[in-house]
Amino acid sequence: DGGITQSPKYLFRKEGQNVTLSCEQNLNHDAMYWYRQDPGQGLRLIYYSQIVNDFQKGDIAEGYSVSREKKESFPLTVTSAQKNPTAFYLCASSTGGSGNTIYFGEGSWLTVV
Amino acid sequence: AQSVSQHNHHVILSEAASLELGCNYSYGGTVNLFWYVQYPGQHLQLLLKYFSGDPLVKGIKGFEAEFIKSKFSFNLRKPSVQWSDTAEYFCAVILEYDKIIFGKGTRLHILP
Repeated sequence: DGGITQSPKYLFRKEGQNVTLSCEQNLNHDAMYWYRQDPGQGLRLIYYSQIVNDFQKGDIAEGYSVSREKKESFPLTVTSAQKNPTAFYLCASSTGGSGNTIYFGEGSWLTVV
Repeated sequence: AQSVSQHNHHVILSEAASLELGCNYSYGGTVNLFWYVQYPGQHLQLLLKYFSGDPLVKGIKGFEAEFIKSKFSFNLRKPSVQWSDTAEYFCAVILEYDKIIFGKGTRLHILP
């Protein structure tokens, strides 16, 4: 079945460690996104990528990094510079262009202790 | 900066009441508009979407939304809510260059 796979679903890390969240899609979508969902804050855009080897900062990119070496993969690294990393992270993809629809992964819960 | 505003953070209604959730966006170019719903403990689900054509769009579960370009609005409506509509609702906008912005969400609580 086509879809978006995020892993791991739950992750615990110690403060000061970098952690990478995986996002893979087999929908042949050009555009991919990372959001962070916090209570009362909605979904805030961290980074997005319209095409392979290109990505743009979203509204809260500080403390995060991404890469887009392959069309189907858009990993997110939460670095030790992120001041409040504990959150629910959602990956999404879309076909891009007009008439596009957004597809979401199931999310990853990151807890930093 | 581009943004999406949802006016009500928390709405409480009785069953059978009518619902309208406000959504306004700030962007002068072409947009695609969405409403998503997140039921307690579940993932985001698409309620409805607007790309072009008739500005009144109908979605699942009796929801509809009207795009008013002059007001930069895309309000969600339902004539008669049910207890099962208790959820959090998110308005989202896709800008011309594929940037997707979400509102902060509206928590809807329906009293049985």
